[in-house]
Amino acid sequence: QQQVKQSPQSLIVQKGGISIINCAYENTAFDYFPWYQQFPGKGPALLIAIRPDVSEKKEGRFTISFNKSAKQFSLHIMDSQPGDSATYFCAATNTGFQKLVFGTGTRLLVSP
Amino acid sequence: DTAVSQTPKYLVTQMGNDKSIKCEQNLGHDTMYWYKQDSKKFLKIMFSYNNKELIINETVPNRFSPKSPDKAHLNLHINSLELGDSAVYFCASSQASPGQVLEQFFGPGTRLTVL
Repeated sequence: QQQVKQSPQSLIVQKGGISIINCAYENTAFDYFPWYQQFPGKGPALLIAIRPDVSEKKEGRFTISFNKSAKQFSLHIMDSQPGDSATYFCAATNTGFQKLVFGTGTRLLVSP
Repeated sequence: DTAVSQTPKYLVTQMGNDKSIKCEQNLGHDTMYWYKQDSKKFLKIMFSYNNKELIINETVPNRFSPKSPDKAHLNLHINSLELGDSAVYFCASSQASPGQVLEQFFGPGTRLTVL
């Protein structure tokens, strides 16, 4: 019940294309869903986050789509750039517990 | 610079040794965490401290002992190191408050290699 399943494990996208990473969760008590971006040799950094009272959140080229009934959420990176090449982690938590449960990560490579 | 810092960045040691990793944050946060990232990049929380008090303790072997001398520091001591302890350890901090989950800021990581 604490798992967050993430797919795909790796993704190659051409520059200018759309990158899509999907996550699914089981615990209906989760109420906060962040995405973290991690570059090689660095710690993860918050990219964008959503709460289940909205179905979409957009920040620049990054959009989270959230489907509460399906217990799924996804990250869309529009106009993907080589600088977006990194590992992306979805996560989920219940605000009462402050414990982030991370997905398994997606290694994104944007080819020039 | 305001940040979460960790020392050392790399740690290579023999099986059976005892080692410590230090973490400091100057963001004024009251909650700090230790995460372990394995060779497959899987990221899992180990411990969380709020104002020097342990609030999350995952199923981590008791060879791992966190210590928080004050709310800006959270150190991790590991006894009797094993091969399976090889991983990257991340410290993080956040200004958590009831009913809110705020951004966790991660340090640069400590790559531990046990030979």
